[in-house]
Amino acid sequence: KAGVTQTPRYLIKTRGQQVTLSCSPISGHRSVSWYQQTPGQGLQFLFEYFSETQRNKGNFPGRFSGRQFSNSRSEMNVSTLELGDSALYLCASSLGGHKETQYFGPGTRLLVL
Amino acid sequence: DAKTTQPNSMESNEEEPVHLPCNHSTISGTDYIHWYRQLPSQGPEYVIHGLTSNVNNRMASLAIAEDRKSSTLILHRATLRDAAVYYCTCRGPCWTSYGKLTFGQGTILTVHP
Repeated sequence: KAGVTQTPRYLIKTRGQQVTLSCSPISGHRSVSWYQQTPGQGLQFLFEYFSETQRNKGNFPGRFSGRQFSNSRSEMNVSTLELGDSALYLCASSLGGHKETQYFGPGTRLLVL
Repeated sequence: DAKTTQPNSMESNEEEPVHLPCNHSTISGTDYIHWYRQLPSQGPEYVIHGLTSNVNNRMASLAIAEDRKSSTLILHRATLRDAAVYYCTCRGPCWTSYGKLTFGQGTILTVHP
């Protein structure tokens, strides 16, 4: 089975721009979670989608949003980028239950200049 | 919020056992304890999980305290490839009840040849 894939792998943007990141979960997985990882804050939970609905949300401003499509693929969007948004963005998929193991993708490294 | 606490760093010599501790005193009786590790420039990778009893797989063993307030990930014979950041977290009702769960800073494991 193919693992979780994320595109693009690297991205450079400037302040004020917006960005969309994509995640394709493992086939059959219905839950997709997004995380932000920075050296100072570690792995921070952004949100989780299950069956096209946001099921859980972390402590991030409204500039961070996401969606999930009927094939379970997910996108996250960050509007009005700030320098502090530079990070590794990881997505993880699981079968769906909250006790299920999460499988992570390689991440998208975003640099905001 | 559910919270896990781990030492910032640990060191080991190759082929020696490594015991990585985690405190999770706030989890409930139905929360699973999951361990992940993150190699440089990669997304986190699932290692092992358990609920109450000790667990073994080809990668590691997980020893869970009887009161479930702590657990220990055991690498029986460390190799250089085990050098990574190790995270413990919970899955289950903690995922929905707390919603803002993060993986914390994890433990940086250094393995010396």
